[in-house]
Amino acid sequence: KAGVTQTPRYLIKTRGQQVTLSCSPISGHRSVSWYQQTPGQGLQFLFEYFSETQRNKGNFPGRFSGRQFSNSRSEMNVSTLELGDSALYLCASSGTQGGGEQYFGPGTRLTVT
Amino acid sequence: KQEVTQIPAALSVPEGENLVLNCSFTDSAIYNLQWFRQDPGKGLTSLLLIQSSQREQTSGRLNASLDKSSGRSTLYIAASQPGDSATYLCAAYTGGGNKLTFGTGTQLKVEL
Repeated sequence: KAGVTQTPRYLIKTRGQQVTLSCSPISGHRSVSWYQQTPGQGLQFLFEYFSETQRNKGNFPGRFSGRQFSNSRSEMNVSTLELGDSALYLCASSGTQGGGEQYFGPGTRLTVT
Repeated sequence: KQEVTQIPAALSVPEGENLVLNCSFTDSAIYNLQWFRQDPGKGLTSLLLIQSSQREQTSGRLNASLDKSSGRSTLYIAASQPGDSATYLCAAYTGGGNKLTFGTGTQLKVEL
C-alpha cells in the first residue's frame, strides 16, 4: 500500500505570493490533517478534513486555508506569504474518524524570501 | 488545553545502552498517545500507538508505556544502535476529530 505523498517537496517563494501544497492520503483513508513544523514552535496543528468537511482548525490566521476533494486528496493554500511562514508542512492521514493511528507524509519544505 | 512536554530535549548515549525517553501531558482525558520518529528534514514515522485502555505496547526493541493518572508516557529503547539516532516525538489525542498535540521532542544521538 502506498504511503502518504506530498507535492512539491520543496518550494521557494517570495513575500506576498501565495502557495498551494498537495497531499494524497493512503488509499481508503478519508481523514487528512495538516501541521506546520518550525524550530521555534515545533509541530502545530493547522486543520483537519474528513470526507471533504473541515472538522478542526488550529490557531492560524485566515491566510491559511485548505480543502479536500472527493478522492480524499487535500490541498492547503497560504496567501500573502510572510517570512515567518517558512516551515516544513506535514500532512497526515488516518483511516478512522478519530483515535486511530496517523501516518505522515514526507513534508513540503517552504522557504519564503 | 492539552500541553505535552518531553524531557530531556537532547540525549547522547553510547551504542548498546538501554534508554528511556519521557513524555508528560497535562490533560489526563486522552484517548491514546502515539510515538513518532523523525529523521532530519524528513516526515514522521509512527513507532507505537497506545490506547488509553492499554498500559504498554511493544514493537521489537521499543516498548512504550502509558500512565494516564500521572500524565506520563515513556518510550524504552533497548540495546540502542547508531541507526536509532533521530528526534523522537510523542503526541496526545484527546478527541474531536484527528487532531494531535505534539510534544517538544527529544533529539537522540547514539554514538559508536
